[in-house]
Amino acid sequence: DGGITQSPKYLFRKEGQNVTLSCEQNLNHDAMYWYRQDPGQGLRLIYYSQIVNDFQKGDIAEGYSVSREKKESFPLTVTSAQKNPTAFYLCASSIVPMGADQPQHFGDGTRLSIL
Amino acid sequence: AQKVTQAQTEISVVEKEDVTLDCVYETRDTTYYLFWYKQPPSGELVFLIRRNSFDEQNEISGRYSWNFQKSTSSFNFTITASQVVDSAVYFCALSARDNYGQNFVFGPGTRLSVLP
Repeated sequence: DGGITQSPKYLFRKEGQNVTLSCEQNLNHDAMYWYRQDPGQGLRLIYYSQIVNDFQKGDIAEGYSVSREKKESFPLTVTSAQKNPTAFYLCASSIVPMGADQPQHFGDGTRLSIL
Repeated sequence: AQKVTQAQTEISVVEKEDVTLDCVYETRDTTYYLFWYKQPPSGELVFLIRRNSFDEQNEISGRYSWNFQKSTSSFNFTITASQVVDSAVYFCALSARDNYGQNFVFGPGTRLSVLP
C-alpha cells in the first residue's frame, strides 16, 4: 500500500546531540512537509520541499535542518541549537506543492523526548 | 494573513449524542480550500474532507456532515449519533494565497471525547 513511513516512532535525545528523523513516501508526491505538534496546540510548519534538491523554511525552522536528495525521502535533523525539541513531529506529502486543492497525507509521527 | 480558529478546545459527549465542531477562517483570497482532518490517539492525521470556496453545498458522508457558510466564514463539522471511536482531535485547515504565496494553515484543533 502507498503511504508515508516515519521512523522511529519514539526517539530520545541527549542534551547537545543532533538527531535525525526519517520520512519516506511511496506516493510519488512532489511536495513534502515537516510539522511540529506540541500538546494542546495545532501543527506548526518547520520546513517544506516542493521538488528534489529544493526546500523552504516554514514558520519555526530555527534549530532544524532538512535535505531532499530523493523524491521519496525528506529527513529532518533536530540540532543542538533547538532548545526545546520535545514534541511530536509529523511528516506529510501532497501531489502539488504547498496545499492548493490537494490534501496532505500524513505519516504516523515521531515522538521526540529529551533525556 | 490566513488564520483558522477552532474556539472549542475540548468537547465531551455521551455516545449517540450529536456534536458539532466549529471552524472559522480568515483569508483575503477569493479562491481557497478548506479541509478537516482527524487525529486519533495513534497520532497520524487522517484526511476527512476538502471543500473549495466556490462550492457552498453541504456534504454528508454517513454520520459526518459539513456546513460551509461563506457569509460567516465558517466550515462546521457535525457528527451524528457519536461513537466512542470518534474520540480524537479534529483539525480544520485552510489553503489559500497571501502576499507570500500559497499557504496551508491548521487550526489549533478540538479534542472530542465520546463517553460510553
